[in-house]
Amino acid sequence: GAVVSQHPSWVICKSGTSVKIECRSLDFQATTMFWYRQFPKQSLMLMATSNEGSKATYEQGVEKDKFLINHASLTLSTLTVTSAHPEDSSFYICSAQGLAGASYEQYFGPGTRLTVT
Amino acid sequence: AQKITQTQPGMFVQEKEAVTLDCTYDTSDPSYGLFWYKQPSSGEMIFLIYQGSYDQQNATEGRYSLNFQKARKSANLVISASQLGDSAMYFCAMREYSGNFNKFYFGSGTKLNVKP
Repeated sequence: GAVVSQHPSWVICKSGTSVKIECRSLDFQATTMFWYRQFPKQSLMLMATSNEGSKATYEQGVEKDKFLINHASLTLSTLTVTSAHPEDSSFYICSAQGLAGASYEQYFGPGTRLTVT
Repeated sequence: AQKITQTQPGMFVQEKEAVTLDCTYDTSDPSYGLFWYKQPSSGEMIFLIYQGSYDQQNATEGRYSLNFQKARKSANLVISASQLGDSAMYFCAMREYSGNFNKFYFGSGTKLNVKP
């Protein structure tokens, strides 16, 4: 099956610094990638949708300048949390939709746990 | 209004018994897909089963089956012969195909505990 990787799997950073999370589709081309945020014991909250080569579409309430998303190629999307604060600590999950896959196929990465101290 | 509602925050089931996890959805889109995902403590989202709105038969995948009742807008997940490894969070999700194609709606989840 299709594989999506995320790097790093966990990261601890100091308040005020920026953190970049990578999402890669390893064996297929992903026209669209999604970024989710999940707080403990809560559901996934869609942050943004990114299409290769174009600007990401952010959900209401998500700060574009704080959560920078880049989808430069068909296999890589990055989420950069700028000037991170403790309240940004969360579990970030990406998912990817394949170029030629069935309309329902969306593959999730293993997630990245961010802790801001 | 909530797009996906899961009313059971937590469920217990005895090993080897069957369990039903409830999910209701809200959409006016005639074309949509319903999904169930399992999320163990490791955090990864594992796809379990899919049901399209036009599918005539209930979806089945091994021990998982989806009880699709379109008129009632419900898509309950049935896990037969529960195993200890089934203990996890389970999320119901929906995707609307006519409107905002790219949007996935997730329910709040049900934490399933399988007792030995």
